[in-house]
Amino acid sequence: ETGVTQTPRHLVMGMTNKKSLKCEQHLGHNAMYWYKQSAKKPLELMFVYNFKEQTENNSVPSRFSPECPNSSHLFLHLHTLQPEDSALYLCASSQDPSLETQYFGPGTRLLVL
Amino acid sequence: SQQGEEDPQALSIQEGENATMNCSYKTSINNLQWYRQNSGRGLVHLILIRSNEREKHSGRLRVTLDTSKKSSSLLITASRAADTASYFCATDGRGGSEKLVFGKGTKLTVNP
Repeated sequence: ETGVTQTPRHLVMGMTNKKSLKCEQHLGHNAMYWYKQSAKKPLELMFVYNFKEQTENNSVPSRFSPECPNSSHLFLHLHTLQPEDSALYLCASSQDPSLETQYFGPGTRLLVL
Repeated sequence: SQQGEEDPQALSIQEGENATMNCSYKTSINNLQWYRQNSGRGLVHLILIRSNEREKHSGRLRVTLDTSKKSSSLLITASRAADTASYFCATDGRGGSEKLVFGKGTKLTVNP
């Protein structure tokens, strides 16, 4: 394993539900990332956090709300999602956001009904 | 966009054969990385090659970089069934924002 864990691994939710995805890294890294991976599309960067501060929001709809309480934990709060938001959500971390190697978690497979 | 684009989209070979995947990108880079993803799992970093390097090896992996053609190739020698996965290249950008840009990937199937 890469030292980055994600929970839950699978999630089914209705469009009116509120849920949260959790990511934890045990590598002592300072930067954390959320990516969305949809079928037949390139991996899409959603958010970047560096030392708990958000440094990138890649035009993500407000129904996705990230939270980074410390350098080891990253959350993605979900509310009023759409079926097209169904995807694999991947968390990653790196020592710093200097574009060096990123370490990925196993992902959360999300299905929005 | 400096998105890397992998070629081919899918590749099927027999165990023991070599597999070559290519990546093209559009703008200048500081480095290029290759990642592997097993079905429905997270990505695993394989190798990073810097813009001033032309070739790099790691075990059965060989990566080349041609900055004049804005392209890279990943060669897996003596492939194994366990190499079956999707392979992605990721590029950064000189003076760009803090993000890697990934291609759509090459889906490699190694048949036993």
